[in-house]
Amino acid sequence: KQEVTQIPAALSVPEGENLVLNCSFTDSAIYNLQWFRQDPGKGLTSLLLIQSSQREQTSGRLNASLDKSSGRSTLYIAASQPGDSATYLCAVIEYGNKLVFGAGTILRVKS
Amino acid sequence: DGGITQSPKYLFRKEGQNVTLSCEQNLNHDAMYWYRQDPGQGLRLIYYSQIVNDFQKGDIAEGYSVSREKKESFPLTVTSAQKNPTAFYLCASSQGFSYEQYFGPGTRLTVT
Repeated sequence: KQEVTQIPAALSVPEGENLVLNCSFTDSAIYNLQWFRQDPGKGLTSLLLIQSSQREQTSGRLNASLDKSSGRSTLYIAASQPGDSATYLCAVIEYGNKLVFGAGTILRVKS
Repeated sequence: DGGITQSPKYLFRKEGQNVTLSCEQNLNHDAMYWYRQDPGQGLRLIYYSQIVNDFQKGDIAEGYSVSREKKESFPLTVTSAQKNPTAFYLCASSQGFSYEQYFGPGTRLTVT
């Protein structure tokens, strides 16, 4: 059974820092991997979707990488801002478009 | 304005009562999904539907039921058989297989 782990569980950084969030998964037979952002009490906003044939995706200050063979993905956030404060969720996408989620990393960017 | 709507945002019920959560999408997506989120945990899949009049159980379907009579609607019923129904429930939809899922704003259900 697929298990997704996110490290660290929580992170607090000063504004302007570059940071890396980690996601690992136990079964490399995935189709895609997706990173989401969730604000308190809200739904999920998709940040980046990496297809299994890709190694990375970029959107603005965000860069996500995928290494299927090692079962790892990283989300890199450049020049962090207080508005980046949220919970970041990683999900692997399996057959049938089923998402298996990690527990998330709670990020706080201090001004 | 295209998107996914879930209503209500907050729902309170007494133990032993069934309750139905609404999920509607106007994105013309074929597939729809229901997830449950508990504090400090990731989302877990309850049910999903790839096409109208068809749905499959997810990882935690016990105590829940769904229907998919219309493409745009996928209501979730939390029955009295669900032992711990208090949670945040999220609905999602996607254009089809291997397409990106889009999420609604969620419904917070509290059962006392």
